[in-house]
Amino acid sequence: DAKTTQPPSMDCAEGRAANLPCNHSTISGNEYVYWYRQIHSQGPQYIIHGLKNNETNEMASLIITEDRKSSTLILPHATLRDTAVYYCIVRARNYGGATNKLIFGTGTLLAVQP
Amino acid sequence: DADVTQTPRNRITKTGKRIMLECSQTKGHDRMYWYRQDPGLGLRLIYYSFDVKDINKGEISDGYSVSRQAQAKFSLSLESAIPNQTALYFCATSEAAGGELFFGEGSRLTVL
Repeated sequence: DAKTTQPPSMDCAEGRAANLPCNHSTISGNEYVYWYRQIHSQGPQYIIHGLKNNETNEMASLIITEDRKSSTLILPHATLRDTAVYYCIVRARNYGGATNKLIFGTGTLLAVQP
Repeated sequence: DADVTQTPRNRITKTGKRIMLECSQTKGHDRMYWYRQDPGLGLRLIYYSFDVKDINKGEISDGYSVSRQAQAKFSLSLESAIPNQTALYFCATSEAAGGELFFGEGSRLTVL
């Protein structure tokens, strides 16, 4: 699985968009980009994933560059409850019984300020 | 009720003791995982299981063992706990065909 690089911490004002970057320059063609978040020692929570097209769901948007070497998670209107560690993970989505494990890095601590 | 339940949520034990952390899920998923989290190190995979008859080592399996008693149950054991196994442990599940992980609320283990 390709490695990812994220800034260790970021601040965002409440109500503004939070843009969390992730670099995955060694990503290969069959690898997806996943985002999870962990709120203060709770179990990590899935946010979104994508392959090459931009994705949006009720929680966030995922923008993947055309060369797929980096991506940005966007929380459109950050709230205090979005303060958490955000993990960007790259892995192949294997359906044939091969490894389906997710390798987490250290993530980005997003602090939403009132 | 939580879809993925871990017990105990907190445990303090002494060096050399045997400890079992239990995980049960109601999501009907085949795949289950045990992760360990240490401050500043993110989550590291200990063991994972694709079905009842399948057990695989993860990144840091030394000092741990697991048992998949049923599709819904996956237990992690520390046969002889040592202080550097003090950590927050998470169980997770996923569907057989891939997709997102669903985590339990964690089990905080302290080994004195």
